[in-house]
Amino acid sequence: QVTLKESGPVLVKPTETLTLTCTVSGFSLSNARMGVSWIRQPPGKALEWLAHIFSNDEKSYSTSLKSRLTISKDTSKSQVVLTMTNMDPVDTATYYCARIRWELQHVLFDYWGQGTLVTVSS
Amino acid sequence: DIQLTQSPSFLSASVGDRVTITCRASQGISSYLAWYQQKPGKAPKLLIYAASTLQSGVPSRFSGSGSGTEFTLTISSLQPEDFATYYCQQLNSYPPWTFGQGTKVEIK
Repeated sequence: QVTLKESGPVLVKPTETLTLTCTVSGFSLSNARMGVSWIRQPPGKALEWLAHIFSNDEKSYSTSLKSRLTISKDTSKSQVVLTMTNMDPVDTATYYCARIRWELQHVLFDYWGQGTLVTVSS
Repeated sequence: DIQLTQSPSFLSASVGDRVTITCRASQGISSYLAWYQQKPGKAPKLLIYAASTLQSGVPSRFSGSGSGTEFTLTISSLQPEDFATYYCQQLNSYPPWTFGQGTKVEIK
């Protein structure tokens, strides 16, 4: 059974750095056809893709947030970590992690965590 | 970055209706498009990938079509559990993998 679970602070102050952890089970982060992505959703708004990491450590970031994001993984702990620097109230959102799987030449976001709401406020 | 525009942003429909949602890409993305359903307070759920391939376990009343820049999600007979917000996502060769702005389907 594949599961993903996000964890991290509920509240951060402006200018602080946010660190979120996605703990996965039911698959391995070393699986060549899989990876993990982070997506966020401000209250009442659309989904926004943030970053991904694959088993070979290939990473990619949102164009608009690239300077603030870092994604990494610890395969032995089955965890993927996302850090976002210089947090601002506009970064208030539910943050999701999702499993990425390659199916032939297509990428799927087939399993998602429940999400964690992060509020940025002083 | 590739932009996705969904239409309509909101639609009101009745149980049993046939519903179609359109997603247009700012440039050609072949068939690298997925559709998700999201209910309030829940994570998105993958419905369709590769533009027209139904994800395992998804009811056959959902279907997807299109390629290039224009795509559609069709629900052949709307059921009570289908009232939700639907998003398209482009997964063209390399990130960023953007989402559309969403289409909310509400009960008429």
